[in-house]
Amino acid sequence: AQSVTQLDSQVPVFEEAPVELRCNYSSSVSVYLFWYVQYPNQGLQLLLKYLSGSTLVKGINGFEAEFNKSQTSFHLRKPSVHISDTAEYFCAVSDIKAAGNKLTFGGGTRVLVKP
Amino acid sequence: ETGVTQTPRHLVMGMTNKKSLKCEQHLGHNAMYWYKQSAKKPLELMFVYSLEERVENNSVPSRFSPECPNSSHLFLHLHTLQPEDSALYLCASSQYAQSSYEQYFGPGTRLTVT
Repeated sequence: AQSVTQLDSQVPVFEEAPVELRCNYSSSVSVYLFWYVQYPNQGLQLLLKYLSGSTLVKGINGFEAEFNKSQTSFHLRKPSVHISDTAEYFCAVSDIKAAGNKLTFGGGTRVLVKP
Repeated sequence: ETGVTQTPRHLVMGMTNKKSLKCEQHLGHNAMYWYKQSAKKPLELMFVYSLEERVENNSVPSRFSPECPNSSHLFLHLHTLQPEDSALYLCASSQYAQSSYEQYFGPGTRLTVT
């Protein structure tokens, strides 16, 4: 079984400032890692995912994340946020060897970008 | 229509009512999912269907009854719900074969049980 912890439930940040959202996971097996974003009144949308290879993954809207196996972390970053980045962000994992893709989600981090 | 659609977007029902949530995917996927999103709780996977066959039921109470008549449609039938069932219910679809595939989510149905 896996678990995902997002350490910050809310992150206020000023426009054009950098932001980092922390994600740690626990798993007895190898996992794939995902970040999803949920804008107000919408479903979740994939930002990026780590499957293998380079530990630095680039996604949509200028976001990137770094996989750190030793620290079991997959933190999400953006060097300069916009008002439109106000949303809730979810980190998720799936078991590499599991049949089918069942995601385990963290509790989410709500980002509020202030002008 | 594109992507994953859900109807209705909002639903208010009494504890003795029966209602159904509908999800439709236009992506050619072979798996569909129901999630429950409550305030201050992580997304909870409720049901998974692959090729119209239920492959996962995460200890969901029987007052929630899923139905998947074909690979494009998924329903969640609701009856005698409790106030704690008020939540956002999200539908998703994907290709089931590998856990590396992303899931595509609908906008959700906001359910309020009075």
